[in-house]
Amino acid sequence: GNSVTQMEGPVTLSEEAFLTINCTYTATGYPSLFWYVQYPGEGLQLLLKATKADDKGSNKGFEAIYRKETTSFHLEKGSVQVSDSAVYFCALSGNTPLVFGKGTRLSVIA
Amino acid sequence: GAVVSQHPSRVICKSGTSVKIECRSLDFQATTMFWYRQFPKQSLMLMATSNEGSKATYEQGVEKDKFLINHASLTLSTLTVTSAHPEDSSFYICSAYLGSTDTQYFGPGTRLTVL
Repeated sequence: GNSVTQMEGPVTLSEEAFLTINCTYTATGYPSLFWYVQYPGEGLQLLLKATKADDKGSNKGFEAIYRKETTSFHLEKGSVQVSDSAVYFCALSGNTPLVFGKGTRLSVIA
Repeated sequence: GAVVSQHPSRVICKSGTSVKIECRSLDFQATTMFWYRQFPKQSLMLMATSNEGSKATYEQGVEKDKFLINHASLTLSTLTVTSAHPEDSSFYICSAYLGSTDTQYFGPGTRLTVL
């Protein structure tokens, strides 16, 4: 079945540091790939998505590239801010409900 | 666009009572909505898939008689926790699926506390 593996957290970075959160997937067919972000006490917000190989999703300085050859969708940001502190979930979907990774907690300190 | 609301955002109830949580897609129609449960510092656990006009599909291990789901319209799904017990205390999150974007949009969640 489909599955998503993302790097274990927590990740702690200083403000303006470079962020990478790794995400790899196993799927049949051609799923869409997503990154969602969850701020404390809130639901999930769609951060970015990509629907086919080599697509780049980007939003708020974050970006991820759908790599079919490595089955990866790593999340990157060049310069993180304290306000980026949250839990990030990688997910995939085709014709089935979303399959989530376990989430990576990011803490950014000033 | 693609906004999903949940009501209430927080509810405290006594053991043995029933609680209804509403999930609405505000600016789009959703034939499919999903209900999730999230434990502290964990990922989301899919409880059921709610399809408009038909019975919900429950995940293995989720009691359908305890967690009643009704998808009465293309913009509203409800989750009723019947005869709630303290172990039902959790954060419940719904999502609505927009087919044109192949994307699920999530509500802000409902914190349920059963005393």
